[in-house]
Amino acid sequence: GAGVSQSPSNKVTEKGKDVELRCDPISGHTALYWYRQSLGQGLEFLIYFQGNSAPDKSGLPSDRFSAERTGGSVSTLTIQRTQQEDSAVYLCASSLRVAAGYHEQFFGPGTRLTVL
Amino acid sequence: AQSVTQLGSHVSVSEGALVLLRCNYSSSVPPYLFWYVQYPNQGLQLLLKYTSAATLVKGINGFEAEFKKSETSFHLTKPSAHMSDAAEYFCAVSEGNAGNMLTFGGGTRLMVKP
Repeated sequence: GAGVSQSPSNKVTEKGKDVELRCDPISGHTALYWYRQSLGQGLEFLIYFQGNSAPDKSGLPSDRFSAERTGGSVSTLTIQRTQQEDSAVYLCASSLRVAAGYHEQFFGPGTRLTVL
Repeated sequence: AQSVTQLGSHVSVSEGALVLLRCNYSSSVPPYLFWYVQYPNQGLQLLLKYTSAATLVKGINGFEAEFKKSETSFHLTKPSAHMSDAAEYFCAVSEGNAGNMLTFGGGTRLMVKP
């Protein structure tokens, strides 16, 4: 079956512009995660969604970052007024559900964001 | 709070040699532990996971890892390296609480020499 897909695969933008990154999780997966992979910070958690519950935004680095998940499926990560330090690979992952125990997170290929 | 330390950002081995990638963690609760592999321009692929069952965990592509609570370690090994093993490897921990968010180590780039 189809895995997690992300678009665009690459995005180059100018400092100060807004960008939107999209994630299509695996069908039926109720949990969705965004992570960021950057040279300076490594791989870090940003935000996660579980079903219709309020998202856990504890990893978002600033209020310029926001995300939504429509209809419990597709998610969009928005970065407003981009800065050069936002340059990174943004990874999306999904899993069956979040409950006691662990469910494997499946990762998409990522979106490479470059802020000039 | 949880954290992961991977010793050695770069490891180089000869083809056919033993692969040993080190991972130490800290966690306030019994953790779930993972190794992921990332090939160039690809996402993360799960190699293996420890979820409180057997302490010696076997994964894909001949890799295995042993959970040692006393050493807070979860080192990744493979008896004989193959050229196709060249990639970046990430150790990660989850406390299995609400969210199951992963905390990653800094990664180790494995190079395999012919």
